[in-house]
Amino acid sequence: GQQLNQSPQSMFIQEGEDVSMNCTSSSIFNTWLWYKQEPGEGPVLLIALYKAGELTSNGRLTAQFGITRKDSFLNISASIPSDVGIYFCAGGSSGSTLGRLYFGRGTQLTVWP
Amino acid sequence: EAGVVQSPRYKIIEKKQPVAFWCNPISGHNTLYWYLQNLGQGPELLIRYENEEAVDDSQLPKDRFSAERLKGVDSTLKIQPAELGDSAVYLCASSTSGGLTDTQYFGPGTRLTVL
Repeated sequence: GQQLNQSPQSMFIQEGEDVSMNCTSSSIFNTWLWYKQEPGEGPVLLIALYKAGELTSNGRLTAQFGITRKDSFLNISASIPSDVGIYFCAGGSSGSTLGRLYFGRGTQLTVWP
Repeated sequence: EAGVVQSPRYKIIEKKQPVAFWCNPISGHNTLYWYLQNLGQGPELLIRYENEEAVDDSQLPKDRFSAERLKGVDSTLKIQPAELGDSAVYLCASSTSGGLTDTQYFGPGTRLTVL
């Protein structure tokens, strides 16, 4: 299947700091999504991107769909303790894979008060 | 509105035993997904249903895994026999339809441990 490279694998930051994580793919996608997963729960959608170059915000979160359509990044500004969790990128294409989503391996975020 | 419901939340079995997971999607959602999430990994699609039809099951190991969604609502995923490597979280998700612009809502998952 498709391989998504997500980095960094983990981050340990202090409350109030900004966070940046990214995801790259060897294939072109026409959809990029960012999810957050907390312990014992399923992933929850944070931001959806559908157009190359698109920059979308959701509160303190900002994500961009790369121009090459092979990458995306997520920024979190002024982090707070409740931002703790695992952040996943996911890419999708409505081509031969029937709209299947491919997920990265996740970025584990820890925020120290 | 209730989210995606999965049961059981945890299951511990011995290898070679059968196991089944159940999922109730959000009311009105026609598309249902089963994902496998190994430790330290992102979810991987096993099977996708549009109503009662499996439209993408190419990633389902059909020698031991089976799934059904008989009335186009609830779904069960079965493993028989289970192997040690099947220990993982099995996530169910649903969406209004199967388009990439339709948000997939995930359940809490079933954590399977095979001893």
